[in-house]
Amino acid sequence: TQLLEQSPQFLSIQEGENLTVYCNSSSVFSSLQWYRQEPGEGPVLLVTVVTGGEVKKLKRLTFQFGDARKDSSLHITAAQPGDTGLYLCAGSNYQLIWGAGTKLIIKP
Amino acid sequence: DVKVTQSSRYLVKRTGEKVFLECVQDMDHENMFWYRQDPGLGLRLIYFSYDVKMKEKGDIPEGYSVSREKKERFSLILESASTNQTSMYLCASRLGTGSYNEQFFGPGTRLTVL
Repeated sequence: TQLLEQSPQFLSIQEGENLTVYCNSSSVFSSLQWYRQEPGEGPVLLVTVVTGGEVKKLKRLTFQFGDARKDSSLHITAAQPGDTGLYLCAGSNYQLIWGAGTKLIIKP
Repeated sequence: DVKVTQSSRYLVKRTGEKVFLECVQDMDHENMFWYRQDPGLGLRLIYFSYDVKMKEKGDIPEGYSVSREKKERFSLILESASTNQTSMYLCASRLGTGSYNEQFFGPGTRLTVL
C-alpha cells in the first residue's frame, strides 16, 4: 500500500513568519501535486511537479520535488492570513495517493 | 470558468435511509471521482468513472454504489446509511486519463447520519 505522510498536521504561526510543510513516502511517484482547500470549498490545485529535483515558485510559495521523487516540500515565505487553509499533497502513479493534509492558520 | 456542483452542501439523514449525492460538471471531462474526507485521514477514494456507464472501485467502496448515466453527472448512493458514513463527501472531475492532470472539485456535501 502506498502511503504519503504529511507533516506537520497542524501549524499556527504569526503573519510574516516562514514555514515549511513536508510530504514523504517510501514510494516513487511520477509526479506530485499540491492543493489548497479553504473552509467550505473543495481543494484547488496549486502546482504539479514532475521532475526529480524540480523547484517551482508561485509568488511566496516554493515547491520542491525530491531528487528520488519520493518526497516534496512546500515553503511559504512571509506568511499572510490569506494563506490560511488546508494544504494537501497528492502523489501520482496510476491513481492519486493523498496525504492527510496540513492545517495552516496564519494569525494577523 | 470550470465548475463542479454538488446537489447539497449539508444533509442530515437517519440510519438505514437510502441517500443520493449528485455531482454535475460542465467541463466535458471523461473522469469523475467520489471521495470522502475525514479529519486526519485526508481524501479517500470511494469510486471513480472513466466514462459513461463505467465505474471502478476505489479504496473504500463498501456501503456505497455509483451511477453514471450521462457524461456530466456522477451520483453516489448510500444504500443504507450508517453513522460511520457521517463525513464530508467531495466530487471531482478530470480531463483525460493522466493521473497528473488537475482534478477539479466541487464544494463538498457534509453528510450527517443520525
